[in-house]
Amino acid sequence: GENVEQHPSTLSVQEGDSAVIKCTYSDSASNYFPWYKQELGKRPQLIIDIRSNVGEKKDQRIAVTLNKTAKHFSLHITETQPEDSAVYFCAASRAGSQGNLIFGKGTKLSVKP
Amino acid sequence: NAGVTQTPKFQVLKTGQSMTLQCAQDMNHEYMSWYRQDPGMGLRLIHYSVGAGITDQGEVPNGYNVSRSTTEDFPLRLLSAAPSQTSVYFCASSYAQGAVNTGELFFGEGSRLTVL
Repeated sequence: GENVEQHPSTLSVQEGDSAVIKCTYSDSASNYFPWYKQELGKRPQLIIDIRSNVGEKKDQRIAVTLNKTAKHFSLHITETQPEDSAVYFCAASRAGSQGNLIFGKGTKLSVKP
Repeated sequence: NAGVTQTPKFQVLKTGQSMTLQCAQDMNHEYMSWYRQDPGMGLRLIHYSVGAGITDQGEVPNGYNVSRSTTEDFPLRLLSAAPSQTSVYFCASSYAQGAVNTGELFFGEGSRLTVL
C-alpha cells in the first residue's frame, strides 16, 4: 500500500521568511496530493492540492510542487506570518482507492514574530 | 449547513467498555471515513464507506466496527475499549467521484477519547 513520509517534523522560522515542507510517496499510481493545515485543537482543513497532471500550483502565499519521477511533492509558504503557525499534513491518494487519503505524520510549523 | 458533526466531543471509558462515536453530514456526500490521530503518527484511516450499505477497512481497523445505513450517518463502534484506543477521532466526508478522482475531505471537529 501507499506510504507517505514527511519532513521535517518541526520547523521554526522568523516572520517574513519562507518555509518548505517535503513529502515522498511510494505508490507510483498515486495521482492526488493535498495539504491540510491543523491549528491547535481544531480540525484539519484543506489549504491546497495538486493532481499528477500538474507540476506546480500556487494560491497567494502558498504553492505546491510535484515531481512524479522522484515521487515527491513540497509545500512552500512565502512571507510567513504568525497565523501560519500550525501542523501541516501532506497526503496522497490514487485513482481507484475510493478517495482514501494516506497522510504523512505532520510538520509543526512555528513562525516567530 | 452544519457540515460534518461528531458527538461526543470528549469521552472517558474504562477498559472493556463499549461505545459509539456518532458522525453525521448534511452535504449529501457519498464518501465518509474515520481517522484516528495520535501524537507523532499523523492521521490513520480506520474504516471508510463509499455509500449507504458499503463499508471497508482502512489502515488500522482492529477493534472498531462501522455501519452505513443512510447517506448521512456513519457511526464508529468500539466493541471492547483498550488503552491503545486512547486517541482523537475524526470523521470526514467527501463528494464521491468514483474510481476516477479524489476530492477534498471535510472533517468533523474531532472526538477525544480516553480509555483508562
